[in-house]
Amino acid sequence: DQQVKQNSPSLSVQEGRISILNCDYTNSMFDYFLWYKKYPAEGPTFLISISSIKDKNEDGRFTVFLNKSAKHLSLHIVPSQPGDSAVYFCAAKRGNTPLVFGKGTRLSVIA
Amino acid sequence: GAGVSQSPRYKVAKRGQDVALRCDPISGHVSLFWYQQALGQGPEFLTYFQNEAQLDKSGLPSDRFFAERPEGSVSTLKIQRTQQEDSAVYLCASSEEILASETQYFGPGTRLLVL
Repeated sequence: DQQVKQNSPSLSVQEGRISILNCDYTNSMFDYFLWYKKYPAEGPTFLISISSIKDKNEDGRFTVFLNKSAKHLSLHIVPSQPGDSAVYFCAAKRGNTPLVFGKGTRLSVIA
Repeated sequence: GAGVSQSPRYKVAKRGQDVALRCDPISGHVSLFWYQQALGQGPEFLTYFQNEAQLDKSGLPSDRFFAERPEGSVSTLKIQRTQQEDSAVYLCASSEEILASETQYFGPGTRLLVL
């Protein structure tokens, strides 16, 4: 029973274009959502987060959108850069409960 | 500044062997988390400490898994009588407080292979 789903295992985008990574969740009690980025042989690195009371949060090239009615969030990266190539994990939590992660999406930005 | 460190980075164990994995969190961080990441999966929660108190161990897969943080800083995850299904990357994360919005900082992980 996967509560956080990332249905695209991989995504390829050309440098300079927009990357859109998607995430769906089933638990309507989740109130905080995060995106982590992971390079090989390293631990996940926090990227951006959003509270359930908001529908958008922006930080430089990264924007996270939350659609609570659809139980869907997305991460937009624009413009995409080769250094953005990594595995991106969506995670969610309810209050102070542990993070629940999706399986990840591998992003390849092609120069 | 120093991030979360974990040792060893790689561990090969024979089935039935006991292993101990160490996590050094960021200094002063109150909360410490252990996750297990199987190949092709996202990290899955194992257990959580607030200072030295283990507040949640609901994710530990069996009683062969044991974690401690006796002085509220360094933590050790011990796996007894390892099985092949224990092969995974074990990630440790720490956060400054216990607030829902508090970011968790991850270490590089220990990759465990049980033969």
